[in-house]
Amino acid sequence: ETGVTQTPRHLVMGMTNKKSLKCEQHLGHNAMYWYKQSAKKPLELMFVYNFKEQTENNSVPSRFSPECPNSSHLFLHLHTLQPEDSALYLCASSQVEGSGNTIYFGEGSWLTVV
Amino acid sequence: GDSVTQMEGPVTLSEEAFLTINCTYTATGYPSLFWYVQYPGEGLQLLLKATKADDKGSNKGFEATYRKETTSFHLEKGSVQVSDSAVYFCALSESRSGNTPLVFGKGTRLSVIA
Repeated sequence: ETGVTQTPRHLVMGMTNKKSLKCEQHLGHNAMYWYKQSAKKPLELMFVYNFKEQTENNSVPSRFSPECPNSSHLFLHLHTLQPEDSALYLCASSQVEGSGNTIYFGEGSWLTVV
Repeated sequence: GDSVTQMEGPVTLSEEAFLTINCTYTATGYPSLFWYVQYPGEGLQLLLKATKADDKGSNKGFEATYRKETTSFHLEKGSVQVSDSAVYFCALSESRSGNTPLVFGKGTRLSVIA
């Protein structure tokens, strides 16, 4: 148990569907992240939220839409995805307090787009 | 920009063998360095970290020493077990104000056979 909970753990969706991934952290952290992990590719940082404000968007297509209603919850809304978006989506959190930013990950949501 | 380079896997070892996974980094400042481990079907877990030069991080028999002169943070374990089979990621976080998300290496898959 890492203190970062992701749901659902597995999701299969069609290209015309709309679904959402949810992340909740119980660590009292003030920053949250979405990463994408695909086979044979490095971990890709997608979005960063500090104190509920989005501070980084790494050229992510608009079919991925993040939402951070408070510092404990983070969503990733998905719509009109492509098969190449199938991947493991990892949520993470950290406490931003100067140096040594240790990030704690959830167990991930496996997404399959058919 | 900042980057992390890890030795390519997969690495296959027999039980009780000595493990070294090389990691070197490029950074503009004075980063903190991390090793994360990902067991099959799970998210990433922090294995160990070091925040300044000559620091040694250790956990579960794994060790890594922050070598500023060689910009390296090699992971070692004296005697691996089958349960150590996983993917290992080296990462860095710059030590400057604000939130500096982790930069990851591509990961090294370790398989330990009995």
